Amino acid sequence: AQSVSQHNHHVILSEAASLELGCNYSYGGTVNLFWYVQYPGQHLQLLLKYFSGDPLVKGIKGFEAEFIKSKFSFNLRKPSVQWSDTAEYFCAVNGYTGGFKTIFGAGTRLFVKA
Amino acid sequence: EAGVTQFPSHSVIEKGQTVTLRCDPISGHDNLYWYRRVMGKEIKFLLHFVKESKQDESGMPNNRFLAERTGGTYSTLKVQPAELEDSGVYFCASSHLGTAGNTIYFGEGSWLTVV
Repeated sequence: AQSVSQHNHHVILSEAASLELGCNYSYGGTVNLFWYVQYPGQHLQLLLKYFSGDPLVKGIKGFEAEFIKSKFSFNLRKPSVQWSDTAEYFCAVNGYTGGFKTIFGAGTRLFVKA
Repeated sequence: EAGVTQFPSHSVIEKGQTVTLRCDPISGHDNLYWYRRVMGKEIKFLLHFVKESKQDESGMPNNRFLAERTGGTYSTLKVQPAELEDSGVYFCASSHLGTAGNTIYFGEGSWLTVV
């Protein structure tokens, strides 16, 4: 079955702390991987995506994610978080096998203390 | 370029009533998706249109939900009659037709509360 698992539901960090949000997926075949972010009061926005090539992808606002195929993982990282990174983060996957139906994880709520 | 727009942004209805949600995808996007997020849970796929055709409606909860996309442009999602468990945020998303890198772009969501 196709699924996405996000390891942490809630994360609280102080400003300047490093962030890593875990994501593992189960999806047959070649996959496309995404991280979406929803800031308070705003709509879901694409943070970064992986289609092919370099497994380390860089997104907006200093975020990056690494695709490790052997571990079926796509963890999101940021070296130093800011208060403005407070948001909910969703890992997602799609692929040809699933008709490009995008499957989302349950989301991780990040709260950054100023 | 205008994004995906949804209407209404918020709706409060009584159990048993009918609600119709509308989605206008990004111009030129043939793929249109409906998703739903119930409070605190994951974003769940409802269905997928390619132009006016239903490509995949495996996520539709039951026959109280009816989605249409006449003419392959905007889409509506009707819930009739609404039940308490239908409360949640209904997201619409769209993307270009293609097989490589199918990034979907989301609307702001329609918040539905059934009381």
